[in-house]
Amino acid sequence: QVQLTESGPGLVHPSETLSLTCTVSGFSLTGYSVYWVRQPSGKGLEWMGRMRYNGDTSYNSALKSRLSISRDTSKNQVFLKMNSLQTDDTGTYYCTRDGYPAPYWGQGVMVTVSS
Amino acid sequence: DIQVTQSPASLSASPEEIVTITCQASQDIGSSLLWYQQKPGKSPQLLIYSATILADGVPSRFSGSRSGTQYSLKISRLQVEDIGTYYCLQVSSSPWTFGGGTKLELK
Repeated sequence: QVQLTESGPGLVHPSETLSLTCTVSGFSLTGYSVYWVRQPSGKGLEWMGRMRYNGDTSYNSALKSRLSISRDTSKNQVFLKMNSLQTDDTGTYYCTRDGYPAPYWGQGVMVTVSS
Repeated sequence: DIQVTQSPASLSASPEEIVTITCQASQDIGSSLLWYQQKPGKSPQLLIYSATILADGVPSRFSGSRSGTQYSLKISRLQVEDIGTYYCLQVSSSPWTFGGGTKLELK
């Protein structure tokens, strides 16, 4: 079955770079797009960006200057890197995939930005 | 990008009351709208897909409707366990866009 699992450091210092990995199973990254969604603490859900099945990427315009999404199809992994982290980037980060009747979601990974 | 405007941002209601939350899309998204419920510290849980279809295991007091580009989630008889934050999500086109959320509290 389709599974997505996020992993990464729980704590990042201000101004540093966040690196997260989404490991997928049950489908091929060359057949489906994977999206990153985040939820800053106490706030709503925000679409961050997408790794398309063909390797193309697109980003939320508000995050584009800080964000990079890449993948390793041989390892079934999608990567998120976001630089210049600030305290308001603290929150939960999810990877998701298109699905019917609804997107599949990972369980999320909590990231705290703090010195 | 498609904008989705959700209202109200917060809502206080009593048990057994009828509750309605709406999302207005900035353009035609057809039936590509989902409703989620989120409880503190938990991931969003799917309630409604394709604008009007109840997800498996969701109580029948929840329902979704659509009128043009306006979408509504209705809880027919609010229960204590329905307290949480509700989000709509349009998946008609990328980027997906979420409504801002409705925090539902007990009066």
